[in-house]
Amino acid sequence: AQRVTQPEKLLSVFKGAPVELKCNYSYSGSPELFWYVQYSRQRLQLLLRHISRESIKGFTADLNKGETSFHLKKPFAQEEDSAMYYCALNPYNFNKFYFGSGTKLNVKP
Amino acid sequence: DSGVTQTPKHLITATGQRVTLRCSPRSGDLSVYWYQQSLDQGLQFLIQYYNGEERAKGNILERFSAQQFPDLHSELNLSSLELGDSALYFCASSVGGIGDEQFFGPGTRLTVL
Repeated sequence: AQRVTQPEKLLSVFKGAPVELKCNYSYSGSPELFWYVQYSRQRLQLLLRHISRESIKGFTADLNKGETSFHLKKPFAQEEDSAMYYCALNPYNFNKFYFGSGTKLNVKP
Repeated sequence: DSGVTQTPKHLITATGQRVTLRCSPRSGDLSVYWYQQSLDQGLQFLIQYYNGEERAKGNILERFSAQQFPDLHSELNLSSLELGDSALYFCASSVGGIGDEQFFGPGTRLTVL
């Protein structure tokens, strides 16, 4: 069963516009959620995780257990934010790790 | 390079063959993870080892096996290869368990002809 859903394969926004990358998960217990990012010609790397509740590069993500979502947001997109973004889930008490299919963010000048 | 390293970068082989992919984790990391990324399946978690022991198992086929050695490097063995096994195989490492930040290697691109 699909555990992590990222409905948008591609998201294009203009520089300075707000951006929201959607992530929904299916898990009834307590999840641990992450956003990983892959910039062009770089390795996949952690952007942020919900338990740290911090803002990284202006991005934030809030876990909404009611809607089972963990959307990634940034109020003003920059061209350097263009990358592939993956939402990931580690269900507590299950030794598994699930990645979403990814969303390619393209920030246009 | 103190990051995760993977060899080889590219591998081309034929159906029915067996290959071994190698991964060296970051210095100090005890966990190693293997992922398969194909066009139609996205990034799929295969298996995790922690300090030499298997800790978590994902969608790993029976034709695939892995191990982590005492020096903490890991190998992923793929046998009886099929066309559908063509993919990018990533290794990642972390200090502790599956919830820790994972540091990814550059990947090995496997092409099965």
